[in-house]
Amino acid sequence: DGGITQSPKYLFRKEGQNVTLSCEQNLNHDAMYWYRQDPGQGLRLIYYSQIVNDFQKGDIAEGYSVSREKKESFPLTVTSAQKNPTAFYLCASSIQANQPQHFGDGTRLSIL
Amino acid sequence: RKEVEQDPGPFNVPEGATVAFNCTYSNSASQSFFWYRQDCRKEPKLLMSVYSSGNEDGRFTAQLNRASQYISLLIRDSKLSDSATYLCVVSGGSQGNLIFGKGTKLSVKP
Repeated sequence: DGGITQSPKYLFRKEGQNVTLSCEQNLNHDAMYWYRQDPGQGLRLIYYSQIVNDFQKGDIAEGYSVSREKKESFPLTVTSAQKNPTAFYLCASSIQANQPQHFGDGTRLSIL
Repeated sequence: RKEVEQDPGPFNVPEGATVAFNCTYSNSASQSFFWYRQDCRKEPKLLMSVYSSGNEDGRFTAQLNRASQYISLLIRDSKLSDSATYLCVVSGGSQGNLIFGKGTKLSVKP
């Protein structure tokens, strides 16, 4: 089945540690996105990529980094510089920028 | 004015009721419009696209008013399973990205 796979489903981070969230899609979509959602809040865009080997900062990029070496993959690293990383992280993809986005089922990150 | 603004909710309605959600957007150049549904602790899922002429999908009807920069979603004959948060989504962010509203929570009671 075509879709977006995020892993892990749950992740715990220690102080000073970098962690990487995986996002893989087999929909052949050009564009991929990372969002953060805090309890009771809307989605906030962290990073996006409209084509392989290119990505742009979203509204809350500080403390995060990404790479887009393959069309199918868009991993997100939450660095130790992100002081409040506890949130629900959602990866999405779309054929093009203004087309409907399809989401993975998310990763819940917490601090130990 | 916020880029995408929705009714604050929550909406608590009995089964069988008709409920309407409204959404306004600030970018007059926006070209694409969608409604998403998000269940508690789950990912958002596309409910329907919104077309200029209005469109219907079963019990759901979406309307777009470009002059007023206003989108609506009507749900008829509400079911318990309709309980969720409904997100209004509009294109027009940087490089044409989608902008998600904060959502309106719907709770359908027996």
